[in-house]
Amino acid sequence: AQKVTQAQTEISVVEKEDVTLDCVYETRDTTYYLFWYKQPPSGELVFLIRRNSFDEQNEISGRYSWNFQKSTSSFNFTITASQVVDSAVYFCALIIDTGNQFYFGTGTSLTVIP
Amino acid sequence: EAQVTQNPRYLITVTGKKLTVTCSQNMNHEYMSWYRQDPGLGLRQIYYSMNVEVTDKGDVPEGYKVSRKEKRNFPLILESPSPNQTSLYFCASVKLASGMQETQYFGPGTRLLVL
Repeated sequence: AQKVTQAQTEISVVEKEDVTLDCVYETRDTTYYLFWYKQPPSGELVFLIRRNSFDEQNEISGRYSWNFQKSTSSFNFTITASQVVDSAVYFCALIIDTGNQFYFGTGTSLTVIP
Repeated sequence: EAQVTQNPRYLITVTGKKLTVTCSQNMNHEYMSWYRQDPGLGLRQIYYSMNVEVTDKGDVPEGYKVSRKEKRNFPLILESPSPNQTSLYFCASVKLASGMQETQYFGPGTRLLVL
């Protein structure tokens, strides 16, 4: 069975601080895909990144970066120099290559205080 | 514009009154899915469909029905809604041509309150 754990329920940071959101996943499959989504207060789900299990290179997109480590089954998300607009709920998700179901974590609510 | 649409966006109903939430996508995606989002539980998959006339249960299918008679539409049916189905519902679609690794596109969500 597959599982995604986001142990941090809520995080508050002051604007311009860096923050890391943790995501730990469980699967016995060797081919799988990991995702991060952002849900701002308006409620829609915004795709941030997709990573397959064969690509462990870290990725950077502006102030966002992702650290994928298969050895620890983690796919952590870091926001550098946080801004108020980063305030949202962030979800990590997993799907295995041979499966049809997506598995989401319970989400981390990030509040950036001005 | 590529999108997933859901209707209605907000719905208040009473226990036992059948309702349908529609979902439509214009991207010719094979895979469609319904999720419910509840505080502290994240998104949980209700049903999904790999293609027309092919549907499967997700993690929380009890109390829901779906159908996939056309590729673009995937309605969610609550035959006899109960208060524990009060939730935020999302429809999503994925292109399968190159595998499940494609990105899910989500609809805007439907807030349902069952009294």
